[in-house]
Amino acid sequence: GAVVSQHPSRVICKSGTSVKIECRSLDFQATTMFWYRQFPKQSLMLMATSNEGSKATYEQGVEKDKFLINHASLTLSTLTVTSAHPEDSSFYICSALRTGGNSPLHFGNGTRLTVT
Amino acid sequence: KQEVTQIPAALSVPEGENLVLNCSFTDSAIYNLQWFRQDPGKGLTSLLLIQSSQREQTSGRLNASLDKSSGRSTLYIAASQPGDSATYLCAVSNSGNTPLVFGKGTRLSVIA
Repeated sequence: GAVVSQHPSRVICKSGTSVKIECRSLDFQATTMFWYRQFPKQSLMLMATSNEGSKATYEQGVEKDKFLINHASLTLSTLTVTSAHPEDSSFYICSALRTGGNSPLHFGNGTRLTVT
Repeated sequence: KQEVTQIPAALSVPEGENLVLNCSFTDSAIYNLQWFRQDPGKGLTSLLLIQSSQREQTSGRLNASLDKSSGRSTLYIAASQPGDSATYLCAVSNSGNTPLVFGKGTRLSVIA
């Protein structure tokens, strides 16, 4: 149990376009999901906290107008990278917290974004 | 602000050797600590989870210890195999509903 599905696993897009990444909790409800970004040979850095039915909370230095997060249901959060640039190329990974908290975070398999 | 440090950054060992990976964190008031494995270009595989009240967890050839008061954890891998080659990440959570804070990882290479 406790499976998190992230889609797509890889995406290549042209500079200036937008890309949507989906994170789904398949067998549990997740009020809260976290979005991380990982640059090559770096650690995972938290970008934002996504809460169902409310606005996401962004970490310092992360542009909320560029990285749009929508958490419209208890099993789905989406991250949209708007007007992508080559410097946005990175590995994006989501994690979901089972509603009720106090449980391990479950991670998706990540999305490799390459902006050309 | 919680910070997690992992030493060494990279490690290369011959097959069969036992090894220890180190993790330290600045705020000892953690809720739990997790060790993950990450293969190149892939997601995370959870290896061991230690609650703040626990001192160690074991799974197969892996043993993780936690010394909360000193802000340290170790991951012990026994009889290493080439298939253990990966990056190992340590991460801590300060409460049951907050995100994990990750270290930069230790890149392990086990040479056949």
